[in-house]
Amino acid sequence: NAGVMQNPRHLVRRRGQEARLRCSPMKGHSHVYWYRQLPEEGLKFMVYLQKENIIDESGMPKERFSAEFPKEGPSILRIQQVVRGDSAAYFCASSQSTGELFFGEGSRLTVL
Amino acid sequence: GENVEQHPSTLSVQEGDSAVIKCTYSDSASNYFPWYKQELGKGPQLIIDIRSNVGEKKDQRIAVTLNKTAKHFSLHITETQPEDSAVYFCAAKMGYNTDKLIFGTGTRLQVFP
Repeated sequence: NAGVMQNPRHLVRRRGQEARLRCSPMKGHSHVYWYRQLPEEGLKFMVYLQKENIIDESGMPKERFSAEFPKEGPSILRIQQVVRGDSAAYFCASSQSTGELFFGEGSRLTVL
Repeated sequence: GENVEQHPSTLSVQEGDSAVIKCTYSDSASNYFPWYKQELGKGPQLIIDIRSNVGEKKDQRIAVTLNKTAKHFSLHITETQPEDSAVYFCAAKMGYNTDKLIFGTGTRLQVFP
């Protein structure tokens, strides 16, 4: 019974490049959430998706960031034209809409 | 706006002592309050949660209490062990029509042998 799977675990990008982070939810879960965690800080909500729908993107920066959760395949968090301030750990969580969120191990993005 | 405050930010205890972490929330419609433990380099792990229809929940050495009137909830760890050392986050589910969790800023717990 695999948990939430995120890849890559570590990603290094140069300024201006694109970063794509993938998340496969737990089996049977149709709700996906993305959170960002800066070093020594808490988890900041970014976006909440259900299959093919963005439910709440109130935490997403207005530019360069996008997220999708297609009918088939993993959820993708895409960051275009990365800047140094995008360096962080990005965590994906999934739920069955019971309120219990289960987190993956995170993707750590470093922007040089 | 939506807000969860957490105290203290760091907590050091001797092995065997108790540890208490407190959180307050702003949205009176919140009805679900989980606690997560995060070890270095790993993702947050759900350790206990409580819903708004109960005031206390226990699981072995861990307990959570909820005071809806005052809008605060607490995590209690008894008989602490070195492996309890980690960062602990409280969270609150905001309102009835969303599963979004808002997290506190975290408490770094250090248990000394």
